[in-house]
Amino acid sequence: DTEVTQTPKHLVMGMTNKKSLKCEQHMGHRAMYWYKQKAKKPPELMFVYSYEKLSINESVPSRFSPECPNSSLLNLHLHALQPEDSALYLCASSPPGSGDTQYFGPGTRLTVL
Amino acid sequence: KQEVTQIPAALSVPEGENLVLNCSFTDSAIYNLQWFRQDPGKGLTSLLLIQSSQREQTSGRLNASLDKSSGRSTLYIAASQPGDSATYLCAVRQPGAAGNKLTFGGGTRVLVKP
Repeated sequence: DTEVTQTPKHLVMGMTNKKSLKCEQHMGHRAMYWYKQKAKKPPELMFVYSYEKLSINESVPSRFSPECPNSSLLNLHLHALQPEDSALYLCASSPPGSGDTQYFGPGTRLTVL
Repeated sequence: KQEVTQIPAALSVPEGENLVLNCSFTDSAIYNLQWFRQDPGKGLTSLLLIQSSQREQTSGRLNASLDKSSGRSTLYIAASQPGDSATYLCAVRQPGAAGNKLTFGGGTRVLVKP
């Protein structure tokens, strides 16, 4: 298995809803990432997990809550989002070793009403 | 603070022409540079990764060069095809960047006309 999968593909939620995004990889990668991408902009890093521990939080609002329950799974819990949080949310993973590429999932298209 | 720029922001060429995409970065002390392709509404696909000690990488019709001293990388795509239409992003990693953090350029949107 050489891919990163993300579910759901699309998500529409209201500002009072609680939802979660899921990311999974079975390549043995020990670093996993959440990115946010607005239309026609590059991805912006949100969080990095290294060996299941949060190593980077790019000053992301607390309405986004990441979780890494095991080495293959990464979740992003969403609560009380704003319409401006609508974006493509991308998950990526990379193997141990600083010189290696990041492998991206297909993304979840999130719309906040 | 590292800044990565890609010019032009958009490019349109007839099928068969060679594509030349530019990426520049302000801090030459990079660990590596990566080129990605992104189709509309999709994730990123890694095309080529160039380590700081390398000058170029090749894969099929793709060739990427790296000149650290001038802070530039160029992606060449030979004999372009309509299927090459996509956004191309470059990203750099700094030495010691925690968690393998990448700094992305704004991307070049490419349209190859049949």
